[in-house]
Order: sequence, then C-alpha cells, then structure tokens
Amino acid sequence: EVQLVESGGGLVQPGGSLRLSCAASGFTFSSYWMHWVRQAPGKGLVWVSRINSDGSSTSYADSVKGRFTISRDNAKNTLYLQMNSLRAEDTAVYYCARDSGYDFTSFDYWGQGTLVTVSS
Amino acid sequence: QSALTQPASVSGSPGQSITISCTGTSSDVGGYNYVSWYQQHPGKAPKLMIYEVSNRPSGVPDRFSGSKSGNTASLTISGLQAEDEADYYCSSYTSSSTLHVVFGGGTKLTVL
Repeated sequence: EVQLVESGGGLVQPGGSLRLSCAASGFTFSSYWMHWVRQAPGKGLVWVSRINSDGSSTSYADSVKGRFTISRDNAKNTLYLQMNSLRAEDTAVYYCARDSGYDFTSFDYWGQGTLVTVSS
Repeated sequence: QSALTQPASVSGSPGQSITISCTGTSSDVGGYNYVSWYQQHPGKAPKLMIYEVSNRPSGVPDRFSGSKSGNTASLTISGLQAEDEADYYCSSYTSSSTLHVVFGGGTKLTVL
C-alpha cells in the first residue's frame, strides 16, 4: 500500500524556517517525481514545487522561489521541503504528492498534510 | 500566473448529472492535453479522479468523465450520489516558466 506521511509542520514566526519531511512507503520511491502542494485555510490548492526522480532537477512556484528548497533522499525514501524567510501568506496545509507518471503533471497519491502556521 | 477559472459551486439531485467547467488559456488548458481533476472531501487529502483530460485511474467509477474544448475543460458526474458531495479542483500543465502545474480555484458540489 502506498503511503506518504508528512511531518515537520508547526507554528513559526515570520522570517523563520521550517523543514518538512515526507516519508514514503509501499512503492519504489526512487522511480517517481514528487511534488509539494499547499492549501491555505479555506482556500484552494496551489502547486509549490517538484523534483525529479534522482533529484537532479527541481522547479518552484514564483511565490516561493529563492526561499524554499525541495530535496530528496532516495536511500531513506524521504522527500523534504526546506522553507526559509517564512511569511504569513505561507500559512497552509502542505501536502506531499506522488507524480502519477502518466504525464508528470498529475498526482495519484497524497499524504495527509502537515499544517504550517506563520504568525507572531 | 492566475489560477484556472471554475464556478464556485454547483448542485444537483441524486441520479442527475452535473458538469463543472475549468477555463484557462492557450498556455495551459488549451495548449496541452494535461488536464487533471481532483475530489477533496472536508479535512481529507485530494484524490485524483481524471488525468490527461479524460482518463480515469483504476478504481474511479465510470460515472466520472472528462473532456476539453479549446481553453475549457469539463468534468461530468452522472448518476449523482450523496458521496460525490465534495470540492473539485482542476489542474493543468502550464508553459509558464515559473510554474509547472496550475490549479483551478475549486468548485463545491452539493448533492441536494
């Protein structure tokens, strides 16, 4: 069974940092692109970042470029999102999602999400 | 990069059919057959319902179907059931250099 379990969320002050983790199991993690998607409270889904299967290529939404870094450790089956210079508008549930592999733009498995709250 | 445009809400009675639209531009929906649809129940993670405009992943009922015309994609749910009540999001690949995937704003489906 495919499982994605996020951790690392919490309350952080503006300007602070957090590192999110996503532990993957039930599939060959090193074969799949992975993504982070966020959802502000009561709002819609927003794509944040993606990383290819071996970690050599990444992409970011404009709103987080230069502040967030996506990475992965295929030996540990874990995806990461390092978030620096956090702002109030980064407050959201952060989901890790597996790329379906059909088209590299759809996500067939999602974690339960981890809440990041940026507030003083 | 603006989100794709979806109606805020749609409703239908059990057994009826409804359609949710998703309008983009030639840089996303209209330019590529990479439109996906997700269902999200309150407090839950999204679930992939449709990929590549009209393909259903294994396990998704055939009551769910997708299509596209020009810059607008559509999700149709036939034979509405109570458990279909949820938020639905479309997404598309985008050729914007700053984004990989853009989502719609979401549509709340109410089963009357």
